[in-house]
Amino acid sequence: QSVLTQPPSVSGAPGQRVTISCTGGSSNIGAGYDVHWYQQIPGTAPKLLIYENRHRPSGVPDRFSASKSGTSASLVITGLQAEDEADYYCQSYDVGLTESVIFGGGTKLIVL
Amino acid sequence: EVKLVESGGGLVKPGGSLRLSCEGSTFMFGSFRMNWVRQAPGKGLQWVACISSGSEKTFYEDSVRGRFTISRDNDKKALYLEMNSLTAEDTAIYYCVRAVGAKASELDSWGPGTLVTVTS
Repeated sequence: QSVLTQPPSVSGAPGQRVTISCTGGSSNIGAGYDVHWYQQIPGTAPKLLIYENRHRPSGVPDRFSASKSGTSASLVITGLQAEDEADYYCQSYDVGLTESVIFGGGTKLIVL
Repeated sequence: EVKLVESGGGLVKPGGSLRLSCEGSTFMFGSFRMNWVRQAPGKGLQWVACISSGSEKTFYEDSVRGRFTISRDNDKKALYLEMNSLTAEDTAIYYCVRAVGAKASELDSWGPGTLVTVTS
């Protein structure tokens, strides 16, 4: 079971808007640690999509945005395109029993 | 563009050992914290271990602590993962990943991965 909780799947039609949530706790997101998001197209390595809660690396379309509040974070994708169909993972840092990088369980985005 | 290439994966019997390697190029390898992240077939991402830029600190996921050892050779621009007492639960693609940012937790560059299969 992942320390960060994400919905297993979300779906939307082309052009629509979808939101993927990521819920953590007081030893990770709630402690102020940044949340990062990754996109993984099946058969390929994950790719950094959003860093430090809301920043897009060069080359990532502005259709992708994210935010963080309290113990949760969200990734929003607007103007859905077929190429957005992929798995999305949130990630943060945890200082509970031991220091560690933590991931959400992943959310499969289905473009209808 | 950052380049990371893993090697050393393969088929191993339960209880066996394997050593993974990762070669970094096109960036100052010795300046960055490095990680191993794995992904079991059909499953999500799981962080395995990380090592500070100068090897002063290492951290491990609970299920691998005591069995896996992360190390690096900055002169060779290489990262390693020594894996012992392997079980079927260790079967996964293992990614070599560079970390940047505050707490060095932002995983900005990933290798293509190397597959480790533990089976009798």
